[in-house]
Amino acid sequence: DAGVTQSPTHLIKTRGQHVTLRCSPISGHKSVSWYQQVLGQGPQFIFQYYEKEERGRGNFPDRFSARQFPNYSSELNVNALLLGDSALYLCASSLDPGTDLNGYTFGSGTRLTVV
Amino acid sequence: DAKTTQPTSMDCAEGRAANLPCNHSTISGNEYVYWYRQIHSQGPQYIIHGLKNNETNEMASLIITEDRKSSTLILPHATLRDTAVYYCIVRVTGGYQKVTFGIGTKLQVIP
Repeated sequence: DAGVTQSPTHLIKTRGQHVTLRCSPISGHKSVSWYQQVLGQGPQFIFQYYEKEERGRGNFPDRFSARQFPNYSSELNVNALLLGDSALYLCASSLDPGTDLNGYTFGSGTRLTVV
Repeated sequence: DAKTTQPTSMDCAEGRAANLPCNHSTISGNEYVYWYRQIHSQGPQYIIHGLKNNETNEMASLIITEDRKSSTLILPHATLRDTAVYYCIVRVTGGYQKVTFGIGTKLQVIP
């Protein structure tokens, strides 16, 4: 079985642009969460989605948005990019929001560089 | 989630046991201790978790003190592939995934 897949693996954007990151969960997993990991820091929670609905949101500005599709894949969108948005963006999938932490599987992430 | 404190970095000789400490003095009775690790340029990987009893699996052992205010992750025979950042996380089971990752401990396994 394929693990959590994220695309693209790397990309470079210019300040002020918009970016869309994609995540496909493990087959059978219906919940997807997004994390931002700035260099030298641990991952920080951005969103959780389950059954196409937002179930949790971290302390991020409204420039960050996400959605989940009927096939449970997800997109993370960031508008008006700032240099500080440069980070590794991680997606984690689980069966549902109540899954214990050990049931989470993370993807390898998308490395976003804003110049 | 309870706050955790870990050393910023540690070194360990290849083949020796790596002992990674974590302090969680404000842990609540229903909070578990979880350990994840993150190898460079990959996503975090679950290692082990426990409530109050010591736990062992194929990857590591987890020793939790009797007062539950601290714990130690033990990698019995460290290899170069164990070089990674190790995160200690304290939280209740289930619940939505607002997991708090700290800075973690950068473990360098030396040949």
